[in-house]
Amino acid sequence: AQKITQTQPGMFVQEKEAVTLDCTYDTSDPSYGLFWYKQPSSGEMIFLIYQGSYDQQNATEGRYSLNFQKARKSANLVISASQLGDSAMYFCAMREGRANAGKSTFGDGTTLTVKP
Amino acid sequence: GAVVSQHPSWVICKSGTSVKIECRSLDFQATTMFWYRQFPKQSLMLMATSNEGSKATYEQGVEKDKFLINHASLTLSTLTVTSAHPEDSSFYICSARRQSYGYTFGSGTRLTVV
Repeated sequence: AQKITQTQPGMFVQEKEAVTLDCTYDTSDPSYGLFWYKQPSSGEMIFLIYQGSYDQQNATEGRYSLNFQKARKSANLVISASQLGDSAMYFCAMREGRANAGKSTFGDGTTLTVKP
Repeated sequence: GAVVSQHPSWVICKSGTSVKIECRSLDFQATTMFWYRQFPKQSLMLMATSNEGSKATYEQGVEKDKFLINHASLTLSTLTVTSAHPEDSSFYICSARRQSYGYTFGSGTRLTVV
């Protein structure tokens, strides 16, 4: 079974609107971390936001917020006030185990296109 | 913030030759770095975990003799694609984890084998 599932291969959003990118995960480890990355066409991977499994509050970083629903094993990324520069591929990832275990599993990604 | 520098950004090489890709952590020490491979419009696939001062841990299906990883210092890991073939053409990207910064990725290397 896939550990990270991103069900939206592509998404469109109008500039200045909010958009939610879905991510569900599967793990039996009580300790894990969830990450979102942005990959523009240039190829570089940009870290956006992190949520730990024991964190009580949803993570927020500027226009990015993570809607963490532990019981449902979902960690959706919400981008508010979309900008044209947000057009990119977005990856959800999970790291299981202790903090220094390191290895992450990535979802297949969602291509976001922001329309002017 | 944490910065990982990856070099070269792109390389074209002839079939049968070897190519070395460097990954440096510029402002922090990284005992562990990760090497990924990405095909067009696909997710990242972890190839191996590079551990400073010890052998790399390779994922299942990754040929360790073909993809040589060396992590000789706390700031440098190298991936050498030996005897490259056209099917090795891909985007290779490294990452390192720094406390409270999450994972930082290099800018990637686009390898084309002709």
